[in-house]
Amino acid sequence: AQTVTQSQPEMSVQEAETVTLSCTYDTSENNYYLFWYKQPPSRQMILVIRQEAYKQQNATENRFSVNFQKAAKSFSLKISDSQLGDTAMYFCAFVRFQGAQKLVFGQGTRLTINP
Amino acid sequence: EAGVVQSPRYKIIEKKQPVAFWCNPISGHNTLYWYRQNLGQGPELLIRYENEEAVDDSQLPKDRFSAERLKGVDSTLKIQPAELGDSAVYLCASSHGLLSGSPLHFGNGTRLTVT
Repeated sequence: AQTVTQSQPEMSVQEAETVTLSCTYDTSENNYYLFWYKQPPSRQMILVIRQEAYKQQNATENRFSVNFQKAAKSFSLKISDSQLGDTAMYFCAFVRFQGAQKLVFGQGTRLTINP
Repeated sequence: EAGVVQSPRYKIIEKKQPVAFWCNPISGHNTLYWYRQNLGQGPELLIRYENEEAVDDSQLPKDRFSAERLKGVDSTLKIQPAELGDSAVYLCASSHGLLSGSPLHFGNGTRLTVT
């Protein structure tokens, strides 16, 4: 079974700083997708960024980028120029490319951006 | 496009009472998910529908939980009778199907409190 681990329960940085959230996963699959979702106090899960395992290039989305290390099974999220609105829970998630289409989430990291 | 709509937003019931949650997915999304999110944890899949067929309900406690997705659109998740341990946020999500790597779109969730 696939598992996703986020080892940082909480993080806190000052506004405008750069912060990196860690995620590791365990799978025997070769093809899969990885996601980072953001969950603000409103509770709605919002997609931040997606990475296809077969792509070597790291995904970027404005101030958000990932460092995908397939051999190490690591998928970290970097937030540059952090903003107060980035305060939220962040979840790393994994899904197999084929077979059971079940999105598996990590435990989450609570990120606080301080003014 | 309109997002995933869930109701109610909050629900407080006494144990042993029944409760139902409703979800309207994004138009055209054939895959619908119900997730349960306990406090401080990541969401866990309860059931996944492909159109009107439940294709993964292995994590659904079938002795008290039931779900339906009539006509492959709206879905209802029911708990009867509710237990104290059922207190959680229940999230509905929809997608075109993860085989293509399409992300899940989530609703705002229903926060259930069982007293």
